[in-house]
Amino acid sequence: GQQVMQIPQYQHVQEGEDFTTYCNSSTTLSNIQWYKQRPGGHPVFLIQLVKSGEVKKQKRLTFQFGEAKKNSSLHITATQTTDVGTYFCAGPERSNDYKLSFGAGTTVTVRA
Amino acid sequence: DVKVTQSSRYLVKRTGEKVFLECVQDMDHENMFWYRQDPGLGLRLIYFSYDVKMKEKGDIPEGYSVSREKKERFSLILESASTNQTSMYLCASRGVPWGGELFFGEGSRLTVL
Repeated sequence: GQQVMQIPQYQHVQEGEDFTTYCNSSTTLSNIQWYKQRPGGHPVFLIQLVKSGEVKKQKRLTFQFGEAKKNSSLHITATQTTDVGTYFCAGPERSNDYKLSFGAGTTVTVRA
Repeated sequence: DVKVTQSSRYLVKRTGEKVFLECVQDMDHENMFWYRQDPGLGLRLIYFSYDVKMKEKGDIPEGYSVSREKKERFSLILESASTNQTSMYLCASRGVPWGGELFFGEGSRLTVL
């Protein structure tokens, strides 16, 4: 089945710095979603990308979908303590759009 | 707001016990999902349902079964709990069959002794 890989698994960031987390799929994706899970919480939807090369911004978060629709990235500028949590990407399986496969996530900690 | 409610936040069971995890959503969503979350492994799909009485296996269905008798309720059943099923279980629902966001419940942390 499809695999969605995320790197890095952990990201330790100084407050105010930027960082990027990456998501790679073994197959072409029809769309990709990103979720954030705060410590002790449940995953919450952030955004969905559908078009090749699409870029979307949410305040300090920039999401990008690769031209080949096999990879995606999340870039956070000027990291704040509120950015702490685990970020997951998720994509539907090629053979079954109902099934959404999640990456292992990038867990972000912030040094004040 | 969509609300997905999982019946128990924390459960402790013994090996061999039958365990029911209940999930109810209040937005008339057709799709419902059960995931298992373990450190370093992300969310792994156990089962999903795209309609009442319809179910499909996910990536790790072994040792689990599900029931969807009503649209709003999706139950996960562990017929005979084992210690390797100690985990966080997350239920989710989705209002569209393709591309829509998942709404997650708060999760049920199951410990099997």
